[in-house]
Amino acid sequence: SYVLTQPPSVSVAPGKTATFTCGGNNIGSKTVHWYQQKPGQAPALVIFYDSDRPSGIPERFSGSNSGNTATLTISRVEAGDEADYYCQVWDSTSDHVVFGGGTKLTVL
Amino acid sequence: EVQLLESGGDLVQPGGSLRISCAAPGFTFSSYAMSWVRQAPGKGLEWVSTISGQTANTDYADSVKGRFTFSRDESKNTLYLQMTSLRAEDTAVYYCASRGAGGSGPFDHWGQGTLVTVSS
Repeated sequence: SYVLTQPPSVSVAPGKTATFTCGGNNIGSKTVHWYQQKPGQAPALVIFYDSDRPSGIPERFSGSNSGNTATLTISRVEAGDEADYYCQVWDSTSDHVVFGGGTKLTVL
Repeated sequence: EVQLLESGGDLVQPGGSLRISCAAPGFTFSSYAMSWVRQAPGKGLEWVSTISGQTANTDYADSVKGRFTFSRDESKNTLYLQMTSLRAEDTAVYYCASRGAGGSGPFDHWGQGTLVTVSS
């Protein structure tokens, strides 16, 4: 089955840039979605189809996908961005949805 | 505004059964793939099952296949997840989520979740 690998944690100071990676075999050939989950809340979509932003998501959030790594970038990080971030793809071979293990963002 | 409202979560003994529901007022199920995603305490997200829009075909994660059944009642705009032979590792918050046309699309709407606890 297809596996997505995310680092467990990222720490960044306010105003700096946070980078989240999502590794998978030839993930660049798939479309990647990213979700933000704050404590006690349901996940919320922040990036879809690799780099598109839903309405209401700030331009500070951006995404890219190439080769074996997809990346979510948050510029000018704010305290309110502190959350868990998950990447997700659809594996056409199995017709199954796959989530990465998630990365916890700590704003210092 | 799109709403997904899960209910039915409870404490159940290992080996027991439970049915949870997701009310989806305003959804036309034939136009949307709907899914269940769960999250064990302190853990990450795990896809459980999807029911396709037009055909109502279902698919399941290997961890629940043969034990869980996903269905929908279009007249009530409600989704159901029938869970049997429950195990401790099924303990989780269960979210229902919509996924547009399905396939490679994102989960664009989520419910607030319902907690299922499997314990003696």
